[in-house]
This record gives sequence, C-alpha cells and structure tokens, in this order.
Amino acid sequence: EAGVAQSPRYKIIEKRQSVAFWCNPISGHATLYWYQQILGQGPKLLIQFQNNGVVDDSQLPKDRFSAERLKGVDSTLKIQPAKLEDSAVYLCASSQKGLAGDNEQFFGPGTRLTVL
Amino acid sequence: KQEVTQIPAALSVPEGENLVLNCSFTDSAIYNLQWFRQDPGKGLTSLLLIQSSQREQTSGRLNASLDKSSGRSTLYIAASQPGDSATYLCAVWVKGGKLIFGQGTELSVKP
Repeated sequence: EAGVAQSPRYKIIEKRQSVAFWCNPISGHATLYWYQQILGQGPKLLIQFQNNGVVDDSQLPKDRFSAERLKGVDSTLKIQPAKLEDSAVYLCASSQKGLAGDNEQFFGPGTRLTVL
Repeated sequence: KQEVTQIPAALSVPEGENLVLNCSFTDSAIYNLQWFRQDPGKGLTSLLLIQSSQREQTSGRLNASLDKSSGRSTLYIAASQPGDSATYLCAVWVKGGKLIFGQGTELSVKP
C-alpha cells in the first residue's frame, strides 16, 4: 500500500514570496490533515479536511495561509506572502475516518520550508 | 485546553540500557494516546496506539502505558540500540479526531 506522498521535499524562498505544497493521501482515506512543525517542537494542526470539506481550520493563519482539497483526494497548502517565522516542516497526514478519534493517522515525509 | 508535555527534552544513554520516556497531558478526556518516532528529515512513524480503555500496549522491545486518571503515559524501551536514536513524540486524540502533540524527546543511544 502506497503511503502519503508530499512534494516538494525541500523549498527555500525569500520572505514575501509565495509557496505551495502538495499532498496525496493514502487511497480511500477520507480525512486529510496539514501540520506545521517548527524546529524543536511537536507538530501543530493547521487544517483538517473530511472529504473535500473543512472540519477544523482554527489554527490556520488565514491572512496568509490557504488550503484546498479538490475532489476529496489531493490537497494543496499555500502561503502568500511568506514570513521568516513560517520556516518549518509541513506535514501531511491522512486517516480512514478520523472524526471519531479512533482512526490512526499516517504521515507523509514532510516538506521542509526555509524562508530567508 | 489540552496540553501535552514530554520529559526529558533530550536523553543520551549507552547501548543496552533500558529507558523510559515520559508524557503528561492536562485533560483526561482523550480517546487514545499514540507514540511516534521521527528520524531527522523524515515524517512520523507510528509506534504504539493505546485506546483510552487500555492500560498498555507492547510491540517488540517497546511498551507503552497509559494512566488516564493521572494524565500520564510512559514509553519503555528495552535493551536500547543505536538504531533507536530518534525523536519520540507523544500525542493524544481529542474530540473531532484531532491529535495534540508534545514537543518530543530526542534520544541518542551511544554504541
């Protein structure tokens, strides 16, 4: 079974530039998550999708971050414009159901973003 | 608001030692608790998932315990090996299928 795929693996940009990350979840997984992991910290949930609807985006900085999940499969996370403090690893995860809290999340390798 | 804390932040042990990693959480209203491993530059690998009704789970040299009433979990690693060197993350499942993570314990096992 293929795992969660993410691209690119690494990205370096200047502050105020835009960047987009892509995630392809495990086939058949209804729930998709984006996490931000700053160096030395645990991952923090940015947004959670159930199929193509948003379940939780309470910690997403909506003035600069946006995410979509078209057709309930792949997802993109965009930052526009980027700030220095956005430097982090962005992790995508998926689970079969997720809302009941009884489904394991599977994580992709992450995208390491450096903002100069 | 649920908060998860892991102690210690870093740990260095000689090969062969048994060790314990600690995790505490502030709200006992959790569904499950999960331990992950993260290697440098890599994503998260699930190690053990303990259902809220369970007290412990075992996988090979790993044993995780859960005490919901006291808000604590421990990950016990027996006979540590250099290949166990990684960051270990504890996370609790809360309502809505959300995972709340601790900051991790960075483990180094010296040959």
